[in-house]
Amino acid sequence: AQTVTQSQPEMSVQEAETVTLSCTYDTSESDYYLFWYKQPPSRQMILVIRQEAYKQQNATENRFSVNFQKAAKSFSLKISDSQLGDAAMYFCAYRSAFSTASKLTFGTGTRLQVTL
Amino acid sequence: DGGITQSPKYLFRKEGQNVTLSCEQNLNHDAMYWYRQDPGQGLRLIYYSQIVNDFQKGDIAEGYSVSREKKESFPLTVTSAQKNPTAFYLCASSPQGTNLATNEKLFFGSGTQLSVL
Repeated sequence: AQTVTQSQPEMSVQEAETVTLSCTYDTSESDYYLFWYKQPPSRQMILVIRQEAYKQQNATENRFSVNFQKAAKSFSLKISDSQLGDAAMYFCAYRSAFSTASKLTFGTGTRLQVTL
Repeated sequence: DGGITQSPKYLFRKEGQNVTLSCEQNLNHDAMYWYRQDPGQGLRLIYYSQIVNDFQKGDIAEGYSVSREKKESFPLTVTSAQKNPTAFYLCASSPQGTNLATNEKLFFGSGTQLSVL
């Protein structure tokens, strides 16, 4: 079974600064997808960014980028130019590429605070 | 607007009572999912369905039941056998098929908070 670990329960960043959230995972599969989801106080789950394991290039979405290290099984999220609206819970998630269902395995989350 | 609707937003259960959480989607997605979220934990998969009249257990199915009589609807019943039902429940859907590039994204509803009286 796959596991996803987020070792930082809480992080804090000043507005306009950069912060990196850590995620490691364990799997014996060769192909998979990795995701970062944001959950603001509204509790709506919002997809931030996704990475396909067979793609070596790190995914980027505007101010959000990932550092995907397949050999180390590491998938960190970098948020640049942090904004107050970035304050939320962030979940890392894993999905096998060998399933036709989008079953995700989630980490326990990192709560990000953004200060002025 | 296409999306996923969960109701009610808040639900209270008495001891020994079964309660049903509603999830409806108009995205024409084949697959639907139920996740449970506890404080300090990530989401855990309860049940999922890839096609009408068929569903599979997830990681924590004990004490729950589901049905999938219509493509648009995937209700979750929390039975009296679930001894710790207090949690936030999220429903999700995704396209289905062999093209993984199209079915790799989950669309989530806004959730139901279930509490025990």
